[in-house]
Amino acid sequence: RKEVEQDPGPFNVPEGATVAFNCTYSNSASQSFFWYRQDCRKEPKLLMSVYSSGNEDGRFTAQLNRASQYISLLIRDSKLSDSATYLCVVNAGGGNKLTFGTGTQLKVEL
Amino acid sequence: NAGVTQTPKFQVLKTGQSMTLQCAQDMNHNSMYWYRQDPGMGLRLIYYSASEGTTDKGEVPNGYNVSRLNKREFSLRLESAAPSQTSVYFCASRVGRVNTGELFFGEGSRLTVL
Repeated sequence: RKEVEQDPGPFNVPEGATVAFNCTYSNSASQSFFWYRQDCRKEPKLLMSVYSSGNEDGRFTAQLNRASQYISLLIRDSKLSDSATYLCVVNAGGGNKLTFGTGTQLKVEL
Repeated sequence: NAGVTQTPKFQVLKTGQSMTLQCAQDMNHNSMYWYRQDPGMGLRLIYYSASEGTTDKGEVPNGYNVSRLNKREFSLRLESAAPSQTSVYFCASRVGRVNTGELFFGEGSRLTVL
């Protein structure tokens, strides 16, 4: 089993839609969780950290479910500019080693 | 606003040639990382350095060596390049404290091995 797994998509959604991505992780000792965004042929950039109690940043909401070992990202009122690949990142087992999922591609259409 | 700087941005090598990818950060970060990204594989960790003077293997270290020259610089060397090493390479850094997550990436180095 991979340490971090994501549905690769693509998710094609109309502008204004709500879309959710999940990411599962295998190491129950993982302590830190993040969502990164990567635009085509660009470097990844931090979208948001994921906290135990869940957290929100504008149209984006992140949740952590430790019992089932997954994190989620919810995007409300999708914009064309949200089109990108969303990468789940986990410090599997703690420490400084960060492991990336393969990414979920989102395409927001008119 | 340099952040993380990688050189070169593009490189074409022949099988068996060697080269070094250079990475420098100006944010006084403790930890530095080298990832490679291939289609359908996501980013895979090659090596990382939790702090100056230490390096550790990641998920795919074979065929690579690294040097943490000082706190700012972390280089990746391919001693004898192979076509399987054709990829986009990203250097990244972070402050280094556990749970202080943000990784800052360089713009990537696109390497083709013929």
